[in-house]
Amino acid sequence: GQSLEQPSEVTAVEGAIVQINCTYQTSGFYGLSWYQQHDGGAPTFLSYNGLDGLEETGRFSSFLSRSDSYGYLLLQELQMKDSASYFCAVRPPGGFKTIFGAGTRLFVKA
Amino acid sequence: DGGITQSPKYLFRKEGQNVTLSCEQNLNHDAMYWYRQDPGQGLRLIYYSQIVNDFQKGDIAEGYSVSREKKESFPLTVTSAQKNPTAFYLCASSTPLGGNEKLFFGSGTQLSVL
Repeated sequence: GQSLEQPSEVTAVEGAIVQINCTYQTSGFYGLSWYQQHDGGAPTFLSYNGLDGLEETGRFSSFLSRSDSYGYLLLQELQMKDSASYFCAVRPPGGFKTIFGAGTRLFVKA
Repeated sequence: DGGITQSPKYLFRKEGQNVTLSCEQNLNHDAMYWYRQDPGQGLRLIYYSQIVNDFQKGDIAEGYSVSREKKESFPLTVTSAQKNPTAFYLCASSTPLGGNEKLFFGSGTQLSVL
């Protein structure tokens, strides 16, 4: 089977750095993606790691280690607008089916 | 602007009624998907379609049906067989490029039972 595990909630203060982890059990996949979803809104794509290592996009960075079956999303200089749910996702090879984790709810406090 | 349009934004279903959720995309994407999201939970795949006139069941297809007669359209019907239909439904599309798939989502339909 394939599954992705994330913490259900994370709380941090404005201006801080927060890391959201994602561990997975899957026989194989192309890469690890991250999506952001505000309450009542649509998920939007944040980042993709096809290879091991760190990918940086502005205040957001994402990391993948296939040997450790582990990835994370790093958010720097947190802003109130970053309060949202964050989902990790993978697509196993051989198909078009993307599997999502249950999501991590991030609360940013002033 | 290109994107995915879902309608209606809110939908109410009576007992024993079938309802259809609309999803249209003008991104020229081959693949389209329907996900269900329950409060505080992740996205679960209902159905997906790789090309016109072809679709496959996802993880929770029971009580749902789809069609893909046009590349741009992928409507979802929630049938009376779906006993717990209250949820947020998200349509998405993608053009996978060597596995670097990026999903584009519509704004969702909130379905509730009267």
